[in-house]
Amino acid sequence: GENVEQHPSTLSVQEGDSAVIKCTYSDSASNYFPWYKQELGKRPQLIIDIRSNVGEKKDQRIAVTLNKTAKHFSLHITETQPEDSAVYFCAASIQNDYKLSFGAGTTVTVRA
Amino acid sequence: NAGVTQTPKFRILKIGQSMTLQCTQDMNHNYMYWYRQDPGMGLKLIYYSVGAGITDKGEVPNGYNVSRSTTEDFPLRLELAAPSQTSVYFCASSYLGGGGYTFGSGTRLTVV
Repeated sequence: GENVEQHPSTLSVQEGDSAVIKCTYSDSASNYFPWYKQELGKRPQLIIDIRSNVGEKKDQRIAVTLNKTAKHFSLHITETQPEDSAVYFCAASIQNDYKLSFGAGTTVTVRA
Repeated sequence: NAGVTQTPKFRILKIGQSMTLQCTQDMNHNYMYWYRQDPGMGLKLIYYSVGAGITDKGEVPNGYNVSRSTTEDFPLRLELAAPSQTSVYFCASSYLGGGGYTFGSGTRLTVV
């Protein structure tokens, strides 16, 4: 099955700075890459996703980039705010498979 | 729409006891999943279902069982609870297999 590695495990940034989280995947047949945000004690929620036919996708202050050759994808958060503090999970699914494999998560803390 | 509903939210079990975690979705999604979340370990797939009457094992199925008699319901059964099953359990559903999940609010289970 797919193996997803996520780095770093923790990330502390000053409010207003950018945050970048990187994930690598093992199976070149993977074609869908979502990112989830989980606030303390809450359920994970989808914040952005990208498919393998696209190299970059943006939604306001967040963006995801995909490098299929290197088999890695990244989440970029610009102009970070205190409400961005949460655990972020990357995931990947293999084409024609029916399930997501998740990274171990990154705890992001935005310092005021 | 309620989305994905999980019950109970919290439960303490004694070693050897059994219980069923309930999961219901009202979005007419064919795909449903059970994950467990341990601290620093991300989300691990226990079981999944691609439709009523069809279930399959994930990464960590031992000690659990599922059934899918209807599109809406996907209960997870724990037989002979062990301390290693202490975790937070999330049910999820998706319209597309391996696509963006909608998660339930989770069940925090402690086995003592």
